[in-house]
Amino acid sequence: AQTVTQSQPEMSVQEAETVTLSCTYDTSESDYYLFWYKQPPSRQMILVIRQEAYKQQNATENRFSVNFQKAAKSFSLKISDSQLGDAAMYFCAYRSVRPGNTPLVFGKGTRLSVIA
Amino acid sequence: DGGITQSPKYLFRKEGQNVTLSCEQNLNHDAMYWYRQDPGQGLRLIYYSQIVNDFQKGDIAEGYSVSREKKESFPLTVTSAQKNPTAFYLCASSIGNRGIGKNIQYFGAGTRLSVL
Repeated sequence: AQTVTQSQPEMSVQEAETVTLSCTYDTSESDYYLFWYKQPPSRQMILVIRQEAYKQQNATENRFSVNFQKAAKSFSLKISDSQLGDAAMYFCAYRSVRPGNTPLVFGKGTRLSVIA
Repeated sequence: DGGITQSPKYLFRKEGQNVTLSCEQNLNHDAMYWYRQDPGQGLRLIYYSQIVNDFQKGDIAEGYSVSREKKESFPLTVTSAQKNPTAFYLCASSIGNRGIGKNIQYFGAGTRLSVL
């Protein structure tokens, strides 16, 4: 079974600075998908970014980018120019590419605080 | 607007009582999922359904039941056998391995269940 580990329960960053959230995973599969979800105080889960394992290029979405290291099974999220609205829980998630709509496997999350 | 609707937002259960959480989607997604969120635990899978009239147990299915009689609906019943039901419950859906947005899970706003 796949597992996802987020080793930083809490992080903080100054407004306008850059922060990196860590995620490692364990799998025996060669192809899969990885995601970062954001959960603000409203508790609505919002997709931030996704990465397909067969793509070597790191995904980017505006101020959000990932550092995907397949051999190391590492998938970190970098938030540039942090804003107060970035304060939230961030979850790393894994999805198999097996046929069918397989569920996500989540890490336990990292709570990010943004300091004005 | 298309989306996933969970109701109620808050729910209270008395000892020995079964309660049902509603999840409806109008996204025409094939698959639907139920997750439980506890502080410090991330999201854990309760049940999922890839198609109407079919569903599979997740990691923590004991004390819960589901049905999938319609594509749009995937209600979750928390039975009296679930001894620690206090948690935040999230419903999600996905289009599957095809089309725009494939492999992405979209979430409802959640239901907070507490025991009286």
